[in-house]
Amino acid sequence: SQTIHQWPATLVQPVGSPLSLECTVEGTSNPNLYWYRQAAGRGLQLLFYSVGIGQISSEVPQNLSASRPQDRQFILSSKKLLLSDSGFYLCAWIGGGTEAFFGQGTRLTVV
Amino acid sequence: AQKITQTQPGMFVQEKEAVTLDCTYDTSDPSYGLFWYKQPSSGEMIFLIYQGSYDQQNATEGRYSLNFQKARKSANLVISASQLGDSAMYFCAMRELMYSGGGADGLTFGKGTHLIIQP
Repeated sequence: SQTIHQWPATLVQPVGSPLSLECTVEGTSNPNLYWYRQAAGRGLQLLFYSVGIGQISSEVPQNLSASRPQDRQFILSSKKLLLSDSGFYLCAWIGGGTEAFFGQGTRLTVV
Repeated sequence: AQKITQTQPGMFVQEKEAVTLDCTYDTSDPSYGLFWYKQPSSGEMIFLIYQGSYDQQNATEGRYSLNFQKARKSANLVISASQLGDSAMYFCAMRELMYSGGGADGLTFGKGTHLIIQP
C-alpha cells in the first residue's frame, strides 16, 4: 500500500534561515507529488507539483522552491525564510480516481 | 472566482444529531471528482468520501454520505449520528480531470468548516 513520509513534524526557524522539508513516497512509482501550505484557519493552497524527476510546476510565486531529485522524493526549500512562510505544510501523492494521500504535515513557525 | 465554496466557517452540533456540511463548486470541466477530508487538530488529512462527476448514485461510506446535486453544483457532506470524535475541520476539494492534464495540478480545496460536536 502507498505511504507518504514527511519530516520534520514541527520546525521553528529564525527569519532569514534556510529551509528543507522532505517528502518520500512508498508503494508506487512515478507518482504525481504536491506541496500544499495551510495558513492558520485557512484552506490548503497548492504551492508546487511534480509529475516526474526534475519536473516542477509552481502555482504561486513564493520565497520557496521545490525539487524532485528522485522518483519518490520531493523537497521543499527556501534560502531565506520570511515570517509569512509560517504555516502547516503538507505533501501529497495524488493518483488516479480517488487516490489522494497526504503526509502527516510539518508545522513551520518562523520567528 | 473560487472553485470550491464552503459557506459555513463553523458549526456547533449536538451529539447524535445528523450534520450537513455545505460545498458548492465551479467548473466547466465535464469530468471531475469531489472529495471530502477531515482534519483533526493533529493536522493529518483523513480521506472521507469521493464522488465522481459521472457517478449516478450518491457516494456513501459508513456514517458519511455525499448529497451530490450536479445541476446545482453542490456536493454536501452528511454525517449521520454525529459523535464527539467528529469534531474537526472538514474540507471539500475538487479535481478537474479533462482540462487540466488529467488532474496533474492536484486538488483545489475550500476554506473548510470547523465542526464542533457538543455532548
